[in-house]
Amino acid sequence: DIQLTQSPSSLSASVGDRVTITCRASQSISTYLHWYQQKPGKAPNLLIFAASRLQSGVPSRFSGSGSGTDFTLTITSLQPEDFATYYCQQSFSTLYSFGQGTNVEIK
Amino acid sequence: QEQLVESGGGLVKPGGSLRLSCAASGFTLSNYYMGWIRQAPGKGLEWLSYISLSSSIIYYADSVKGRLTISRDNAENSLYLQMNSLRVEDTAVYYCARRWGSDDSFDLWGQGTMVTVSS
Repeated sequence: DIQLTQSPSSLSASVGDRVTITCRASQSISTYLHWYQQKPGKAPNLLIFAASRLQSGVPSRFSGSGSGTDFTLTITSLQPEDFATYYCQQSFSTLYSFGQGTNVEIK
Repeated sequence: QEQLVESGGGLVKPGGSLRLSCAASGFTLSNYYMGWIRQAPGKGLEWLSYISLSSSIIYYADSVKGRLTISRDNAENSLYLQMNSLRVEDTAVYYCARRWGSDDSFDLWGQGTMVTVSS
């Protein structure tokens, strides 16, 4: 099975900060890597698919990069509504998996 | 608008069974692979299963294989998850989600239904 490891597990940031979250796969997954945002009590929301493609309706301050085993989600100029938990997910294998999540908190 | 609505959650004793449903509206379910994902209280997301358009392709996470069965009724625009031999550790919010695109992300999620396994 493919394991996804996110870092950091949590971070504190201020409005306007640039935030970077990484996701490392236990084996190469090409660009079959997606990012989701989840707010408390809500379902996850797709932000980035195929490593770097912005889902329709998602603000352009969100971006993704990477291929193979190392991926990054970047939020430029963090907004109040961006405080949430972020998950990566791989669909390279027939058995999908999620990272453990990164909680972005207000500093 | 496009929507998924789960139902069927509740309190069940260890060893018991439960059947979850996911009703799709605003789009044609038969055009999409569908999946189930769960989230234990205070924990992360765990992928459970997905099913192909005609139900010919089905995969399960190792943690639930043999106890959970995914199915669909395209005529009813509905997805199901039959859960047997439930354990305390199956306690979670269960989400259905639509698989989308050539890279197989989940672009549409339901609001979730809570399953509590407790004696």
